[in-house]
Amino acid sequence: GAGVSQTPSNKVTEKGKYVELRCDPISGHTALYWYRQSLGQGPEFLIYFQGTGAADDSGLPNDRFFAVRPEGSVSTLKIQRTERGDSAVYLCASRQSIAGRGNEQFFGPGTRLTVL
Amino acid sequence: AQSVTQPDIHITVSEGASLELRCNYSYGATPYLFWYVQSPGQGLQLLLKYFSGDTLVQGIKGFEAEFKRSQSSFNLRKPSVHWSDAAEYFCAVGAHNTDKLIFGTGTRLQVFP
Repeated sequence: GAGVSQTPSNKVTEKGKYVELRCDPISGHTALYWYRQSLGQGPEFLIYFQGTGAADDSGLPNDRFFAVRPEGSVSTLKIQRTERGDSAVYLCASRQSIAGRGNEQFFGPGTRLTVL
Repeated sequence: AQSVTQPDIHITVSEGASLELRCNYSYGATPYLFWYVQSPGQGLQLLLKYFSGDTLVQGIKGFEAEFKRSQSSFNLRKPSVHWSDAAEYFCAVGAHNTDKLIFGTGTRLQVFP
């Protein structure tokens, strides 16, 4: 079966521009996560969706970052007024519905964002 | 605060040698613990996880890890390393209510023939 897919795989933009990153989770997975991985670091949590709602957005660094999941499947991470410090690999993961049992998150290949 | 520490940034071993990657965590309750592997250009792949029960867990690719509550550790081991094991390894703790993962900074494993 298909895994988590993310598009685009690479995105180069200029400082100050707006970008959208897309995540298609595994079919039937109701939980979806976004992480950001900077060079030489482990992934850092950004936001968690359970269904259509953001259940935990405590990892979003500031109000330039926003994510939606309007139909409970595909999610889009939106970054306004990009800064060079936003350059990183953005990872998406999905999980089966029941939280709190250590169920595996399945990760996509990531989108490498470069802000010039 | 929840955190994960991987003290070794880079480890080099010879093929066939044994391996132990260290992981220490800080968490207020019994943690969910994970080891992921990331190869160049690849996504994160789960090697193994500890949720409850037996503190020695077996994973894929011949890896195992042992949860030691007294030492707040979850070290990853493999008795004989293969060249294909060269990759970045991440330890993570999972939050109980949301399952969001808190990762360590990773250990890069290099394998010499």
